[in-house]
Amino acid sequence: DTGVSQDPRHKITKRGQNVTFRCDPISEHNRLYWYRQTLGQGPEFLTYFQNEAQLEKSRLLSDRFSAERPKGSFSTLEIQRTEQGDSAMYLCASSLVGSYNEQFFGPGTRLTVL
Amino acid sequence: KQEVTQIPAALSVPEGENLVLNCSFTDSAIYNLQWFRQDPGKGLTSLLLIQSSQREQTSGRLNASLDKSSGRSTLYIAASQPGDSATYLCAVIISGAQKLVFGQGTRLTINP
Repeated sequence: DTGVSQDPRHKITKRGQNVTFRCDPISEHNRLYWYRQTLGQGPEFLTYFQNEAQLEKSRLLSDRFSAERPKGSFSTLEIQRTEQGDSAMYLCASSLVGSYNEQFFGPGTRLTVL
Repeated sequence: KQEVTQIPAALSVPEGENLVLNCSFTDSAIYNLQWFRQDPGKGLTSLLLIQSSQREQTSGRLNASLDKSSGRSTLYIAASQPGDSATYLCAVIISGAQKLVFGQGTRLTINP
């Protein structure tokens, strides 16, 4: 299966620690998105890349959050000085330009901040 | 600001019934609408994508319709099965944008 993959699947950390998540998109997809989902809610957009360029960031993405896609392939999302309010499922999706932007999601990384 | 609403928040029906899930959005200037399924603790599985110029899409027992002018979409599930139990999410992309704006989902339970 060559779908979107995310690592780790689960992360438990203590408040104040830094965490980093990785996303590998579908191989030919040039757009990559990060979303955050809290319990009982729909996902909310955080940021997206086209190739290596970060083209949009949500106001939800505070200065403690940073995302990179250095070679236009995999992406990382880092959260510095985690807070309990950061506990959520972090979802990555990818799409191909010209495909009506149909987005395909990975399994997510569940973050718990103690 | 685009807002997406899904009603009902939860639905429980006996196996074999046909059912309809509703999605409404406030800004009719959308590029497309996508329906997803999410199992507990899992990622999202894309079910159907409807382009703004289309009225409906079908995949197996699923049929999704789109009425842009009224800001509504429906997902019809025929002959429901216990394996259909999941949360169903609809999401739109506004024209000129790339991000999906999601509703809160409908949690569907099919009782054997």
